[in-house]
Amino acid sequence: QSALTQPASVSGSPGQSITISCTGTSSDVGGYDSVSWYQQHPGKAPQLIIHAVSKRPSGVSHRFSASKSGNTASLTISGLQAEDEADYYCCSFAGPSPSYVFGTGTKVIVL
Amino acid sequence: QVQLQESGPRLVKPSETLSLTCAVSGYSMSADYNWGWVRQPPGKGLEWIGSIHHSGRAYYNPSLESRVTISIETSKNQFSLNVMSVTAADTAIYYCTGVPNGVAGDPWGQGTLVIVST
Repeated sequence: QSALTQPASVSGSPGQSITISCTGTSSDVGGYDSVSWYQQHPGKAPQLIIHAVSKRPSGVSHRFSASKSGNTASLTISGLQAEDEADYYCCSFAGPSPSYVFGTGTKVIVL
Repeated sequence: QVQLQESGPRLVKPSETLSLTCAVSGYSMSADYNWGWVRQPPGKGLEWIGSIHHSGRAYYNPSLESRVTISIETSKNQFSLNVMSVTAADTAIYYCTGVPNGVAGDPWGQGTLVIVST
């Protein structure tokens, strides 16, 4: 069960859009529609921002959107804001017994 | 609103057992639901440790399965984590979480840093 692969960092200017990729295998990302994304600010616990590949929990900004194609999931942040500067982690169900694998994490830098 | 709070020793000696408890408020653990643990070494990424169903059935990360036990006490509205034979590599922030279907963690406790050292 290897960690999903994410870029170490992604940067963008305020107002721009950025996309974070999350690459796994057919045993995790590609095999289930159970990809979730988490935002983690320094010193804080992670917070769920996307579940079931593309669904936003109540209260999460519409600027966050996500999708999946094959073994790769993606998170897009539109209209980048200073408050979006944080670490982002993808996570996938990796069955068959309940099992999960996280991504390596991506630091988003707002220039 | 569901809230989770981790508690336990912050310092554990190598080769001993790390034990943490997660107190759940705002939700009855007798209900059909899953609970779990995730850890994060300082400055590093997240690692799923395992989860437990309210019935007591537990599931573990294969890389940790031989040393980890998760248990639940629904009457006390809490669940626990034991990690045996710890080494410095087990030094991490340990988070307890709710585990809705298909999601590794939501909500999360605030996390507790456990250091393995003499």
